[in-house]
Amino acid sequence: DAGITQSPRHKVTETGTPVTLRCHQTENHRYMYWYRQDPGHGLRLIHYSYGVKDTDKGEVSDGYSVSRSKTEDFLLTLESATSSQTSVYFCAISSGQGPDTQYFGPGTRLTVL
Amino acid sequence: AQSVTQLDSQVPVFEEAPVELRCNYSSSVSVYLFWYVQYPNQGLQLLLKYLSGSTLVESINGFEAEFNKSQTSFHLRKPSVHISDTAEYFCAVSSNYQLIWGAGTKLIIKP
Repeated sequence: DAGITQSPRHKVTETGTPVTLRCHQTENHRYMYWYRQDPGHGLRLIHYSYGVKDTDKGEVSDGYSVSRSKTEDFLLTLESATSSQTSVYFCAISSGQGPDTQYFGPGTRLTVL
Repeated sequence: AQSVTQLDSQVPVFEEAPVELRCNYSSSVSVYLFWYVQYPNQGLQLLLKYLSGSTLVESINGFEAEFNKSQTSFHLRKPSVHISDTAEYFCAVSSNYQLIWGAGTKLIIKP
C-alpha cells in the first residue's frame, strides 16, 4: 500500500469553527489531491497540488483552502465550517507521470454540527 | 469536458452469479480509464486500468473490463461473484493529471 496517512480520522466540530485536515505521504509523489465523498455524488475534487506551494482549485473549492509547504504534507482548511461540509474527506497522491494511478488515504470523517 | 456515467447506482446479484457494472464516458482523442473499489469504511483502491494495448484488462481477483471505443464504454464484469465483492465500484477517466469520476455503483451480493 502507498504510504498515505490522514489525520484526524474522525472529527466533530461546530458551525463557524476553523478545521484543518492533514495528509501525509512517504512516496515523494508530486501530485496530491483532496476530495470529498457524499452519497450520490461520488468523489468531488476540492483542490490539488502539483508541487510545493503549487496548488489549484477543483470543482468544489468554495469554503476550502489548502497549503503545501513540503512535498510530503498537504493541508486542507475549512475556514469557517458549515453543516454542508459534513462529509468524508479523502486525500490522494500520484507521481504525475502520464495518465497516472491515484493512491488514496483512509479518509477523514468530518461532522459539522 | 470529460464526463463519466455509471448507469446503475446499485446492482443486486446472487452469490456465484455473473455481474456487469456499466460505465460510459464522453469521447476524447486519448482515453485512460480506471476502475476503483471501495470496501465498507475504507478508502479507494485501484482495481484495474486501461492505458493502451489490449482492450481487455483483468484484475487479480477475477474482475475484467473491456474498453470499447465505438460505444465509449468500459464495463466491469465478473463471471461469479463472492460475498467478499460487496463494495462500491467507481469508474474514472484521466484528464490533465486529474481523474473524472462516476457517481459509483454499489454491488450488493445476495446469499
